[in-house]
Amino acid sequence: DIQMTQSPSTLSASVGDRVTITCRASQSISAWLAWYQQKPGKAPDLLIYKASTLQSGVPSRFSGSGSGTEFTLTISSLQPDDFATYYCQQYQSFPLTFGGGTTVEIK
Amino acid sequence: EVQLVESGGGLVQPGGSLRLSCAASGFTFTKYEMNWVRQSPDKGLEWVSFIGGSRGKSRGVINYADSVRGRFTISTDDAHNSLYLQMNGLRAEDTAVYFCVRSMRDVVVVPGSTYFYYYMDVWGKGTTVTVSS
Repeated sequence: DIQMTQSPSTLSASVGDRVTITCRASQSISAWLAWYQQKPGKAPDLLIYKASTLQSGVPSRFSGSGSGTEFTLTISSLQPDDFATYYCQQYQSFPLTFGGGTTVEIK
Repeated sequence: EVQLVESGGGLVQPGGSLRLSCAASGFTFTKYEMNWVRQSPDKGLEWVSFIGGSRGKSRGVINYADSVRGRFTISTDDAHNSLYLQMNGLRAEDTAVYFCVRSMRDVVVVPGSTYFYYYMDVWGKGTTVTVSS
């Protein structure tokens, strides 16, 4: 199975900050990576797929990059609505696997 | 509007069974692949099972996580635009919120072969399964 490791697990930031979350795969997954945002009590929402393609309707302050085994999710200017938990997920092969999540909290 | 609505969760004793349902609307159900994903505080997000749409590129394809293979069965009812998860031999570690999730595909074509890669684009709100005596 492909293991996905996110860092940091928690991140404290202020509105307007630039935020970067890292996701590493245990083996190459090319660009077959998705990012999700989840708020408490809600289902995850797709933000980015194929490592860098923004899902329709997602604000342009979100961006993704990387390929192979190392990926990043960047929020260019953190907004109040962005305080949430973010997950990466590989879809190179079954079983599909998720990272452990990064919680972005208010500093 | 694309919508997925899960039902069937509840409290069940270890060794018992439950059948989860997911009603899909707002899209052509038969053309899409579908998944069950669960989430618990202990294990985080965990993919459970995948099924190819009957008119999709991966029709007939079914996959399971090792943790549920042999105990859970995924199926669809195209006439009712519904996805199901039959869960038998339930264990305490199956306690989680279960999400019904639609997949979209990325396609790679190389000489002689076509490869499909499925990400998950629409999630239901989830239904809670608790396995406890």
